[in-house]
Amino acid sequence: DAGVIQSPRHEVTEMGQEVTLRCKPISGHDYLFWYRQTMMRGLELLIYFNNNVPIDDSGMPEDRFSAKMPNASFSTLKIQPSEPRDSAVYFCASSLAPLGAGGDSPLHFGNGTRLTVT
Amino acid sequence: AQRVTQPEKLLSVFKGAPVELKCNYSYSGSPELFWYVQYSRQRLQLLLRHISRESIKGFTADLNKGETSFHLKKPFAQEEDSAMYYCAPCREGTSGSRLTFGEGTQLTVNP
Repeated sequence: DAGVIQSPRHEVTEMGQEVTLRCKPISGHDYLFWYRQTMMRGLELLIYFNNNVPIDDSGMPEDRFSAKMPNASFSTLKIQPSEPRDSAVYFCASSLAPLGAGGDSPLHFGNGTRLTVT
Repeated sequence: AQRVTQPEKLLSVFKGAPVELKCNYSYSGSPELFWYVQYSRQRLQLLLRHISRESIKGFTADLNKGETSFHLKKPFAQEEDSAMYYCAPCREGTSGSRLTFGEGTQLTVNP
């Protein structure tokens, strides 16, 4: 398995443009997570899905951010319009089972998308 | 508010020296805790979880409920341990369980 696949690896865009980040989880993993990594705030959970259904989106910064999972093998994170403060590395991760008590599946991360908004 | 704190953003030690990466949490109950690591040019990956009480790459972490800490320790650091380390408690909530990461500690092991 190639692991979690994210595209693009790097994205440079101008303020106000729409940005779409893509993720393909590991086949068979029912949980998919989007994280954002910045120097100031570390890794922040934005949203996660279980069986393609968004479970917790309380970490999504504002309405400019949206995420979808139309099927078990694909998810997108969209920013519209983008702003310079959105510049960060965005990680997608998937897991086979629930995390925490009762679960025995670690998170598998993608390589991330480095987003720069000028 | 429930949170996890890694007080040191940067930590530098010499090869062969002991190393301790601090993690404190303020979650109620008994959260399950993990350490994740990101080596240069590699993906973020699980290092160890407290429930398994295992030692990975010479690292151990003991959950201290009294001090609400989960510090990561290694008696003799190696250069290949240089990486970014994240402490991550798993919080159970009404909408399922979620893994929250600390801000991370960049460990540099000097020769």
